[in-house]
Amino acid sequence: KQEVTQIPAALSVPEGENLVLNCSFTDSAIYNLQWFRQDPGKGLTSLLLIQSSQREQTSGRLNASLDKSSGRSTLYIAASQPGDSATYLCAVSNQAGTALIFGKGTTLSVSS
Amino acid sequence: GAVVSQHPSRVICKSGTSVKIECRSLDFQATTMFWYRQFPKQSLMLMATSNEGSKATYEQGVEKDKFLINHASLTLSTLTVTSAHPEDSSFYICSARDLARGLQETQYFGPGTRLLVL
Repeated sequence: KQEVTQIPAALSVPEGENLVLNCSFTDSAIYNLQWFRQDPGKGLTSLLLIQSSQREQTSGRLNASLDKSSGRSTLYIAASQPGDSATYLCAVSNQAGTALIFGKGTTLSVSS
Repeated sequence: GAVVSQHPSRVICKSGTSVKIECRSLDFQATTMFWYRQFPKQSLMLMATSNEGSKATYEQGVEKDKFLINHASLTLSTLTVTSAHPEDSSFYICSARDLARGLQETQYFGPGTRLLVL
């Protein structure tokens, strides 16, 4: 059974700092991996989607990497801003068209 | 981009009543929709997979007679929490796949529905 773990559970950094969020999954036979942002009491915003054949994806200050063989992904946030404060969720799909399996998330707080 | 809406966004009800939550794909057709539940400080957990025109597939531990799912059209799936109890209080989120994009696509999530059962 696929399990997704995110470390750390919470992270506080000053504005401007670069940071890395970690995600690991137990079954490396994934179809794709996604990173989402969730603001308190809100739905999900998709940040980056990495197909199993890809190594990384970039969007603005965000860079996500995928090492499928080791079951790991990282989300790198450059030059963090207070507006980046949110919970970041990692999720994997085991097969095309199937539901996502989520980690518990990392709650990020960026202070100005 | 693809938009998924949910209604209501927030509902408070008395214990024993039933609550219906709608999930709509606004600008695309969705053969499959997924219903997730999120308890405070927990991850999203899949409850069921809803397929248009057929019965939903429920995850282990989710009571199909309590959480009724109807996917009557390619743009609408409903989740009805029957005889709701306080332990059903949670954040319910749906997602939908864009039929036109086939399997090479992401899922689009609704904004969620906060259910509080008193």
